[in-house]
Amino acid sequence: GQNIDQPTEMTATEGAIVQINCTYQTSGFNGLFWYQQHAGEAPTFLSYNVLDGLEEKGRFSSFLSRSKGYSYLLLKELQMKDSASYLCAVRDSNYQLIWGAGTKLIIKP
Amino acid sequence: ETGVTQTPRHLVMGMTNKKSLKCEQHLGHNAMYWYKQSAKKPLELMFVYSLEERVENNSVPSRFSPECPNSSHLFLHLHTLQPEDSALYLCASSLRTEPSYEQYFGPGTRLTVT
Repeated sequence: GQNIDQPTEMTATEGAIVQINCTYQTSGFNGLFWYQQHAGEAPTFLSYNVLDGLEEKGRFSSFLSRSKGYSYLLLKELQMKDSASYLCAVRDSNYQLIWGAGTKLIIKP
Repeated sequence: ETGVTQTPRHLVMGMTNKKSLKCEQHLGHNAMYWYKQSAKKPLELMFVYSLEERVENNSVPSRFSPECPNSSHLFLHLHTLQPEDSALYLCASSLRTEPSYEQYFGPGTRLTVT
């Protein structure tokens, strides 16, 4: 079967750095997405990785290793507004998006 | 209005009712999606439309019936639902269905079936 694994919940301190991991087992690979979802709101697109390596976008970076079936989202200089759920999704060989259950990130002052 | 809008934002219905959820996108996209989001579970893709044609139906019970009259509008018709259908229903759109195109989500309809 196809599976995406992410930690259920993480806690970090304002101003610090946090890394949210995502591992996947899918039938084929056509890219990996990260989305942010604040409570009661729509998921919003953060990043897309299809090649190995690190993609940096401001305070957020996303890393992919296809050989390891692994990605992480790195958030720097954490702000209170970063408290949200972070969803990892992989597009498989049939172009279906397989979603993880999301990681709830709690930022403390 | 911009982005993806959904109405209503909240809906409470009995198991014998018939209701419809509406989604509208103002992005000029060609693909639209319905998802179900239950607490602590992955997003479940329900239906995909590309250029107003249904291209995917992921074994969704027939009590959910989608309709896509044009590329900007998507409906989800509901009838004789079960309490386990209570969830957040999200609509999304993308420029195309190809792999690299990200999806833009609406705010969702919080559905409660009593």
